[in-house]
Amino acid sequence: AQSVSQHNHHVILSEAASLELGCNYSYGGTVNLFWYVQYPGQHLQLLLKYFSGDPLVKGIKGFEAEFIKSKFSFNLRKPSVQWSDTAEYFCAVNADNYGQNFVFGPGTRLSVLP
Amino acid sequence: DSGVTQTPKHLITATGQRVTLRCSPRSGDLSVYWYQQSLDQGLQFLIQYYNGEERAKGNILERFSAQQFPDLHSELNLSSLELGDSALYFCASSDKQGARRTEAFFGQGTRLTVV
Repeated sequence: AQSVSQHNHHVILSEAASLELGCNYSYGGTVNLFWYVQYPGQHLQLLLKYFSGDPLVKGIKGFEAEFIKSKFSFNLRKPSVQWSDTAEYFCAVNADNYGQNFVFGPGTRLSVLP
Repeated sequence: DSGVTQTPKHLITATGQRVTLRCSPRSGDLSVYWYQQSLDQGLQFLIQYYNGEERAKGNILERFSAQQFPDLHSELNLSSLELGDSALYFCASSDKQGARRTEAFFGQGTRLTVV
């Protein structure tokens, strides 16, 4: 079965620090990749998505992610975090012919200190 | 606002009881997914429906069932509730049956507390 792992359970940064959250998936076929964000007490919102083409995708709020097929990775980055980025971040995979559902990683909690 | 509506927002019930959670997908979306989010288990996929038919099943307990109606809204029924069923239940919708080039839009969730 396909699975998604996220490298860090909890990341603590100061404002203006750079962010990189790791995500790896286990599936060798064609995949669609996503990063979702969940602010405290809210639902999941899409940050960015990759379907095909340029492996560097830009999302909302200054986030970007890079798909590296050879490493089965889709890491999320932001050059300078803000206090308002404090949230839980989920990497997700949706693969053709694989149950047609979105498989989520365990999430990474990001705390940004003012 | 994602366009996915879930009711109720909060639900408190006793062990052994049965509850029904409701989800209205975004206009035009045919696929509905149910997820359970708890502190120790993360976001777990329960079940997917597409245009009224079950399409994929995840870690859904036998005490749980779901269905999608002709108007495309979906209901998740949880019965013989246990304390461990306390969680946030999310519904999501997408516009396609398959995985290619589709994204999921999530509702606000129903927080279920079993006491």
